[in-house]
Amino acid sequence: SAVISQKPSRDICQRGTSLTIQCQVDSQVTMMFWYRQQPGQSLTLIATANQGSEATYESGFVIDKFPISRPNLTFSTLTVSNMSPEDSSIYLCSVSPGTSGSRRVGEQFFGPGTRLTVL
Amino acid sequence: AQSVAQPEDQVNVAEGNPLTVKCTYSVSGNPYLFWYVQYPNRGLQFLLKYITGDNLVKGSYGFEAEFNKSQTSFHLKKPSALVSDSALYFCAVRDSDMDSNYQLIWGAGTKLIIKP
Repeated sequence: SAVISQKPSRDICQRGTSLTIQCQVDSQVTMMFWYRQQPGQSLTLIATANQGSEATYESGFVIDKFPISRPNLTFSTLTVSNMSPEDSSIYLCSVSPGTSGSRRVGEQFFGPGTRLTVL
Repeated sequence: AQSVAQPEDQVNVAEGNPLTVKCTYSVSGNPYLFWYVQYPNRGLQFLLKYITGDNLVKGSYGFEAEFNKSQTSFHLKKPSALVSDSALYFCAVRDSDMDSNYQLIWGAGTKLIIKP
């Protein structure tokens, strides 16, 4: 299984500022995902980030608000820009190392999350 | 369109009793089905999955789930619940016919509370 770390683990930010969340994986993976989760709620996919290509954003999420970098196969960042209290949430990084035909197909491994509070 | 339903927001079970957390799904092709668990203040952990083969799949911590194609269900079960099983459980699905799309569709989650 992949081991994923995220920085920071939590932060309290002022309205209008930006925060960059880092995601580091201990192995090379092609597929990386960024999710948002309200405590006790389901996961909402923000975007899929593949190394070497532009991130693909889900409906309701735009690159200007959530720019993503994916410089190599073990690292990604998500920036939450011009934050408002509505951005307060847990942000999760996830990877999917399995490919078609692999016994690990479909499994996703998650980082511990970044708990963001915007005042 | 793909979807997952977890009809129960919360399930309460006495310790030692069997537990079931329900999940139904809808995909156009053949499903890949997953259960994940999230313990308080921790990230999600993979529990088990159904890809193909035996309809009864066994996973971590004594959990198992049964794939029922006719009922489009993938209920999570455990014969004897432990207080430490108390957590948030998520069912997820992916359409296996969409190999180029690795996204999982997530259920709303079910909070499992095991009482001593």
